[in-house]
Amino acid sequence: GQNIDQPTEMTATEGAIVQINCTYQTSGFNGLFWYQQHAGEAPTFLSYNVLDGLEEKGRFSSFLSRSKGYSYLLLKELQMKDSASYLCADPGNSGNTPLVFGKGTRLSVIA
Amino acid sequence: EAGVTQFPSHSVIEKGQTVTLRCDPISGHDNLYWYRRVMGKEIKFLLHFVKESKQDESGMPNNRFLAERTGGTYSTLKVQPAELEDSGVYFCASSQDRFYGYTFGSGTRLTVV
Repeated sequence: GQNIDQPTEMTATEGAIVQINCTYQTSGFNGLFWYQQHAGEAPTFLSYNVLDGLEEKGRFSSFLSRSKGYSYLLLKELQMKDSASYLCADPGNSGNTPLVFGKGTRLSVIA
Repeated sequence: EAGVTQFPSHSVIEKGQTVTLRCDPISGHDNLYWYRRVMGKEIKFLLHFVKESKQDESGMPNNRFLAERTGGTYSTLKVQPAELEDSGVYFCASSQDRFYGYTFGSGTRLTVV
């Protein structure tokens, strides 16, 4: 199966660091995606991890452990505009299966 | 480049009526996906086109939903007749290679009353 679990909501303070976790179960593995979705807007691509380890892109980093079925998205120096839903998505176990999304974590950044 | 365009952005229809949603993918993207998000739930896959062919339609809820992609360009998703549970946001996404991620449209918010 492709069960994906994320916390439903998180709150963090402007300027702080927040880590959003995602666990998944899939019979095979082709990496893991993270998307950001502001209310009323389209999900936008943040990162794709196919190998274990941490990938950094500016204030956002994403980590993957395939053996543990675990990923996290790390957001540093939080800004108010980072308030959004963060979705992890599993591309499944074959070459052309569609992305399966978690329910998303709604992050609220407060002053 | 132009992004993925969806039309209309909002639609309110009565139960039993028909609605057609349209998606224009990024030019040159062979893969086109339809997803739906019902309030409080995750974004769920409906259908995947590769060019004009249906690659996977395992997520289509029932035969009231009909998707087409004539000529491998834009796609339409028709709901006929609409039911209350069809309400939600319908997203379209396209990609050239899925391992570079999908580009999503802004979605069509469908409300069936």
